[in-house]
Amino acid sequence: GAGVSQSPSNKVTEKGKDVELRCDPISGHTALYWYRQSLGQGLEFLIYFQGNSAPDKSGLPSDRFSAERTGGSVSTLTIQRTQQEDSAVYLCASSPMGTSSTDTQYFGPGTRLTVL
Amino acid sequence: EDQVTQSPEALRLQEGESSSLNCSYTVSGLRGLFWYRQDPGKGPEFLFTLYLAGEEKEKERLKATLTKKESFLHITAPKPEDSATYLCASANQAGTALIFGKGTTLSVSS
Repeated sequence: GAGVSQSPSNKVTEKGKDVELRCDPISGHTALYWYRQSLGQGLEFLIYFQGNSAPDKSGLPSDRFSAERTGGSVSTLTIQRTQQEDSAVYLCASSPMGTSSTDTQYFGPGTRLTVL
Repeated sequence: EDQVTQSPEALRLQEGESSSLNCSYTVSGLRGLFWYRQDPGKGPEFLFTLYLAGEEKEKERLKATLTKKESFLHITAPKPEDSATYLCASANQAGTALIFGKGTTLSVSS
C-alpha cells in the first residue's frame, strides 16, 4: 500500500519568507509526527498529533513554527520568517494508533529545506 | 534526561566481515527500542522493535539484541547493499515521540 508522502521534496527559499510543508500519512493511521534532521544531528522531534486530541507541541523550536492537521489526515508544517538555521530535512511519520509508545512509526521521504 | 547514544559514528567493513553496532540508552521505563535504516536522501526505514532485555530479532543478515542498558545490531557477512546509516531510537516518557541517536554510517566494500 501507499506509504507516507511529503511535498515538496525540495524547497529553496529566501531568509524571511514563509514556507509550508505537507505530509500525507498512511491511510488509517491516527497518529502523525514531525521531525527535523539537521546535518550531523540526529532526528529531532517537533510535534505530535493523535486523533482529535490537542497536539504535543513541546518540540517546536520557536513560535515561528506551527503545524495543523485537517480532518485527522493531512498535516501542514508552517515556518514563518525563515532563518538560515531552519535549513534541514523535515520528516513526517505516522503510526497506526499512537496510543502506545511502542507503536511503530513509518517515515516519509522528507522535505529538504534550504534557506538562503 | 533521556538520551540515546550510538557508536561508532562510522564503520567501514569488507564484504563478509561481520561486526556490531552499539546503542546505549538512558531512558526511564523503556517502552521499546527501535532500529531504523536510512539511505541517503530517503526517510528512515523500520527494521526492528525490542521490548524486553534478552529479546532478539533477526532479518536476513541483521540481528538486534537488547540488554537493560544497551542494544546491539549485529551484521553477519555484510554485503555492499547493507551500506546505510543505522539509527537507534527509544520512545520518550510521554510516549509521544522517539528519541534518536545520531546514527552509525556503515560502508561495506566488495
